[in-house]
Amino acid sequence: EAGVAQSPRYKIIEKRQSVAFWCNPISGHATLYWYQQILGQGPKLLIQFQNNGVVDDSQLPKDRFSAERLKGVDSTLKIQPAKLEDSAVYLCASSWDIAGGETQYFGPGTRLLVL
Amino acid sequence: AQSVTQLDSHVSVSEGTPVLLRCNYSSSYSPSLFWYVQHPNKGLQLLLKYTSAATLVKGINGFEAEFKKSETSFHLTKPSAHMSDAAEYFCVVSLNRDDKIIFGKGTRLHILP
Repeated sequence: EAGVAQSPRYKIIEKRQSVAFWCNPISGHATLYWYQQILGQGPKLLIQFQNNGVVDDSQLPKDRFSAERLKGVDSTLKIQPAKLEDSAVYLCASSWDIAGGETQYFGPGTRLLVL
Repeated sequence: AQSVTQLDSHVSVSEGTPVLLRCNYSSSYSPSLFWYVQHPNKGLQLLLKYTSAATLVKGINGFEAEFKKSETSFHLTKPSAHMSDAAEYFCVVSLNRDDKIIFGKGTRLHILP
């Protein structure tokens, strides 16, 4: 079974530039998550999709971050414009369903450095 | 509101000795609890999870955790540490009621030869 795929693996941009990350979840997984993990901290949930609908985006900085999952499969996360404090690893995860006990499967992450 | 607290940011043990990583949670409803491990430059991997069945949960690589409702704890243990266990460990709480997911800040486990 193929795992969660993310690209790119690394990205370096200057502040105020835009950047986009892509995630392909495990086939058949209805729920997709984007997390931000700042160095030395635990992952923070940014947004959670159930199929192509948003379940929770309460911690997404909506003035600069956006995410979509148009066909209920792949997802993109965009930052526009980036700030220095956005430097972090962006993790994508997926699970079969939305129920609280579901196991999440994580991708390798995209490491973003904003200069 | 729910929360999860990992009591130690760093834990060092000698190879072959027991491991204890502590996690306390706060939740008004029945939680699901997880432990994930993150090796350097690798993705997060599930070690084990508790979802209201047996309170003693066995996971991969010899790890286990016990859900203690009276103490609101879900500590991770392993009888004998191995060098390959050196990694960052995250305790995660998820409410079945509204599916909020919260990660602890992590505990970095160091294994001394």
